[in-house]
Amino acid sequence: NAGVMQNPRHLVRRRGQEARLRCSPVKGHSHVYWYRQLPEEGLKFMVYLQKENIIDESGMPKERFSAEFPKEGPSILRIQQVVRGDSAAYFCASSPVPSGGGTEQFFGPGTRLTVL
Amino acid sequence: GDSVTQMEGPVTLSEEAFLTINCTYTATGYPSLFWYVQYPGEGLQLLLKATKADDKGSNKGFEATYRKETTSFHLEKGSVQVSDSAVYFCALLIYNQGGKLIFGQGTELSVKP
Repeated sequence: NAGVMQNPRHLVRRRGQEARLRCSPVKGHSHVYWYRQLPEEGLKFMVYLQKENIIDESGMPKERFSAEFPKEGPSILRIQQVVRGDSAAYFCASSPVPSGGGTEQFFGPGTRLTVL
Repeated sequence: GDSVTQMEGPVTLSEEAFLTINCTYTATGYPSLFWYVQYPGEGLQLLLKATKADDKGSNKGFEATYRKETTSFHLEKGSVQVSDSAVYFCALLIYNQGGKLIFGQGTELSVKP
């Protein structure tokens, strides 16, 4: 069984470019979560999506960041006009049911974004 | 607001030493508590969890007990190995508030032979 897959594993962008991060959840999981790990910090929740719906985006920066989880295909975290402060590791997690009852979230290996 | 506080690292121990990593939390609702481990260059793996007060989570020799009276979930292991070197994250999730895991800042553990 494949776990959560993220690609690319490493992404380098220049300031002002766009970054697109992909996450394929565990097969059969319809709930996806994105987290960001800034250098020397813990992980911070960004957004929670269910197929075709954004459930909770309370951790998303108000500008330049967007996320989607279409009916078919991976979840995408999109960062427009990247700045150096966006350099971080971005982790995706998935669960088979909503995690609010204590269900485990399975994490991917992360995408490490470097903005030059 | 909801938050998790962990003891600061890095923690350096000799092999076979006893490990404690302190974790306390503040929660407005009823939390489930988790310990995740992150090995270098990898994602997070669930180490153990507890979903109600007085529950003890355990896995691979690690244990943690959900203490509601002290709002704590300290991680312990009786005899650490070099392979336990990693970053450990305590986290909480509020029941029925979606899937937002709230993490502590992480504690880096280094075990020397």
